[in-house]
Amino acid sequence: DAKTTQPTSMDCAEGRAANLPCNHSTISGNEYVYWYRQIHSQGPQYIIHGLKNNETNEMASLIITEDRKSSTLILPHATLRDTAVYYCIPTGRGANNLFFGTGTRLTVIP
Amino acid sequence: DSGVTQTPKHLITATGQRVTLRCSPRSGDLSVYWYQQSLDQGLQFLIQYYNGEERAKGNILERFSAQQFPDLHSELNLSSLELGDSALYFCASSVEAGAGRGNEQFFGPGTRLTVL
Repeated sequence: DAKTTQPTSMDCAEGRAANLPCNHSTISGNEYVYWYRQIHSQGPQYIIHGLKNNETNEMASLIITEDRKSSTLILPHATLRDTAVYYCIPTGRGANNLFFGTGTRLTVIP
Repeated sequence: DSGVTQTPKHLITATGQRVTLRCSPRSGDLSVYWYQQSLDQGLQFLIQYYNGEERAKGNILERFSAQQFPDLHSELNLSSLELGDSALYFCASSVEAGAGRGNEQFFGPGTRLTVL
């Protein structure tokens, strides 16, 4: 599994876009990039995933660089409820086991 | 609400005891996963079942075992409990076994285990 590097913490003003980077330079060709978040001690929540192309859903956008060595999760209009730890997790097609790292603690400030 | 249910929500027990945690996956999901979250280890994958069969194993101790029943619910059995087993235990489910489009994992609210 690819190793990831994420900032330990980030702040974002409420209503502004939150851009969370992730470096996964050792990602292999068959690994998807998944993003999950965990709000306090709740169960983790799926946000979005992608392979090569940029993706968008109702929660967020995912931008993956052309060489696939890094990606950015974008929350377009952060709210206080988006305060959470965000995890970037490369996952191979054959296995769906999630290896959570330390993630980025995002704090949305009023 | 993810559609995954876990019981009990809280469990307090003593060292050396055995407990069983239960998980009901979302309707239609065939794959169940167990994760442990402790303060010092973070979120760790323990084991995965797919349609009743063990599919993948992570950092699961020999004192721990799991199974998935024909109705697809799963149980995680923890025995000879130690203080260090105190943690949040999450169950997740997905439609299929492998990663890919439409196969994201949905997590339950967790069971908080305290070993005294």
